[in-house]
Amino acid sequence: ELKVEQNPLFLSMQEGKNYTIYCNYSTTSDRLYWYRQDPGKSLESLFVLLSNGAVKQEGRLMASLDTKARLSTLHITAAVHDLSATYFCAGIQGGSEKLVFGKGTKLTVNP
Amino acid sequence: KAGVTQTPRYLIKTRGQQVTLSCSPISGHRSVSWYQQTPGQGLQFLFEYFSETQRNKGNFPGRFSGRQFSNSRSEMNVSTLELGDSALYLCASSFGAGSWEQYFGPGTRLTVT
Repeated sequence: ELKVEQNPLFLSMQEGKNYTIYCNYSTTSDRLYWYRQDPGKSLESLFVLLSNGAVKQEGRLMASLDTKARLSTLHITAAVHDLSATYFCAGIQGGSEKLVFGKGTKLTVNP
Repeated sequence: KAGVTQTPRYLIKTRGQQVTLSCSPISGHRSVSWYQQTPGQGLQFLFEYFSETQRNKGNFPGRFSGRQFSNSRSEMNVSTLELGDSALYLCASSFGAGSWEQYFGPGTRLTVT
């Protein structure tokens, strides 16, 4: 059964700094998702990574996927306060549309 | 294009009662999945429906059930509510087979007292 682990679970950053969130998964996943969640809100889709070596960027966020290492990363460049949120990665349980989520990384960007 | 809608947005129920939550997917989407989010357990998959058929089910007791209608709208029902059922219930819609984007609704916040 697919298991997804994220680290760190909590991340406090200063504005302007760079950091990376890591997402490891235990078995083959057809694709890898990244979502953002603001407090009390739903999940906002950030990226869907479909194949080995996939890299996607949107603004200050860049996600990549290494299927051989079973690792995805979410890199934050020059963080700003508006990026403060909880970020989840999720894999797809084989042969289904079932998303298996990591525990989330709560990111706080301080001025 | 309208997004995923969920009703009601907030609900307060008493232990032992039952509750029905509704999810209307994006137009044209045929797959609806339900997730429970709690601070302790995180995001957990409940079930997925595609074209009125349950395709997958998570590890939840039989008190949790669902269905999907011919217009792809889905409902989930929780009977004999327990305090631990207090959670944010999210539904996600997608085209289903062959697609990969899953879009989440705003959620229903259920509080059981």
